[in-house]
Amino acid sequence: AQSVTQLGSHVSVSEGALVLLRCNYSSSVPPYLFWYVQYPNQGLQLLLKYTTGATLVKGINGFEAEFKKSETSFHLTKPSAHMSDAAEYFCAVTNNNAGNMLTFGGGTRLMVKP
Amino acid sequence: NAGVTQTPKFRVLKTGQSMTLLCAQDMNHEYMYWYRQDPGMGLRLIHYSVGEGTTAKGEVPDGYNVSRLKKQNFLLGLESAAPSQTSVYFCASSYTGNQPQHFGDGTRLSIL
Repeated sequence: AQSVTQLGSHVSVSEGALVLLRCNYSSSVPPYLFWYVQYPNQGLQLLLKYTTGATLVKGINGFEAEFKKSETSFHLTKPSAHMSDAAEYFCAVTNNNAGNMLTFGGGTRLMVKP
Repeated sequence: NAGVTQTPKFRVLKTGQSMTLLCAQDMNHEYMYWYRQDPGMGLRLIHYSVGEGTTAKGEVPDGYNVSRLKKQNFLLGLESAAPSQTSVYFCASSYTGNQPQHFGDGTRLSIL
């Protein structure tokens, strides 16, 4: 079984501040991990993914995430928030079984204050 | 490159009416999915398909039916719409179950 917990359904930061969105997962086998972003009135877009190899993964728009096996975490960060980063962010988990589908977290809405 | 296309984008129905939501993908993906998204509840999987001619139930299948007669299309049907089915519906597709899913822009459905 696999599951994802995103701590904080809403996160608010000031423009220029660090963005930290938390994701913890549960998986009985080595996980594949994803972060998606959803802008208003749009579908989800892939930000970044981790499958194997380097544990620090860089994505689009300056975001990155680090896979920490000991903490079962895959937190998303960005050094300096921009107004355009305001969106909802979803973490998802699966594994190396091609038939195993993604399980999504409940989402975190990021608000960026001027 | 269209990706995943959903039609219609908006629809208002009366209780008891039926309708079909269409999803088309041009990426030759095997897997296709229908989700609903409601405030505070994230994405919930309604039905999915692992290939042409196959369908399976997801987390919240009641009140919905699906068909995958062609690989590129995945249809979601509401036989008798209820107000509880007011939601935003997303279609997605992927090569395999554990590959990134590609999403459409959603269909906003209101049932009065």
